Amino acid sequence: NAGVTQTPKFRVLKTGQSMTLLCAQDMNHEYMYWYRQDPGMGLRLIHYSVGEGTTAKGEVPDGYNVSRLKKQNFLLGLESAAPSQTSVYFCASSYGAFLTDTQYFGPGTRLTVL
Amino acid sequence: AQSVAQPEDQVNVAEGNPLTVKCTYSVSGNPYLFWYVQYPNRGLQFLLKYITGDNLVKGSYGFEAEFNKSQTSFHLKKPSALVSDSALYFCAVRPGSSNTGKLIFGQGTTLQVKP
Repeated sequence: NAGVTQTPKFRVLKTGQSMTLLCAQDMNHEYMYWYRQDPGMGLRLIHYSVGEGTTAKGEVPDGYNVSRLKKQNFLLGLESAAPSQTSVYFCASSYGAFLTDTQYFGPGTRLTVL
Repeated sequence: AQSVAQPEDQVNVAEGNPLTVKCTYSVSGNPYLFWYVQYPNRGLQFLLKYITGDNLVKGSYGFEAEFNKSQTSFHLKKPSALVSDSALYFCAVRPGSSNTGKLIFGQGTTLQVKP
């Protein structure tokens, strides 16, 4: 049982390049989330999904797109990377949206945009 | 606006002494509160949560947290700190009015435990 995994662990992009971050979970969780972590700002929600085939915007969605074609995977895309998207990206999942549900996090992807 | 505040960027404690990491919140409805820990270059690990009931919640690695409704606080505590507790700690809240499971995070507090 690997929990939540993220690919890749590190990436350096040039401004304007595109990339996709992959999140996978093997806990049969319905809900999945993408956060970004910036110094002194905690974690901010980018997009989330409440089930296969559904996505919704979070707090800071601009410049990102997501897809949830399979229940176990949640992809985060950057179509045209900007230096402001330099950050550490975390994926999380939870069984459902019950208020007591705990979110479990992946190890993170460190992205640098030059 | 709904928010979580961790008023201290860093807390320094000597090994063996008690530690407290502070958290206050402002949300609508009954809050559901969480503490996570992040070790260097790692993801966030769940420590404990308050849902309802006893105001003192016990979690992993000897940590506990006290929910105080009147002061809207959820401070993290440990009776005797270890050097290995040094890490970044996040408080998070899920508003009682939420139907999406979204968490609101504080900005984090770095805990430094010195031998």
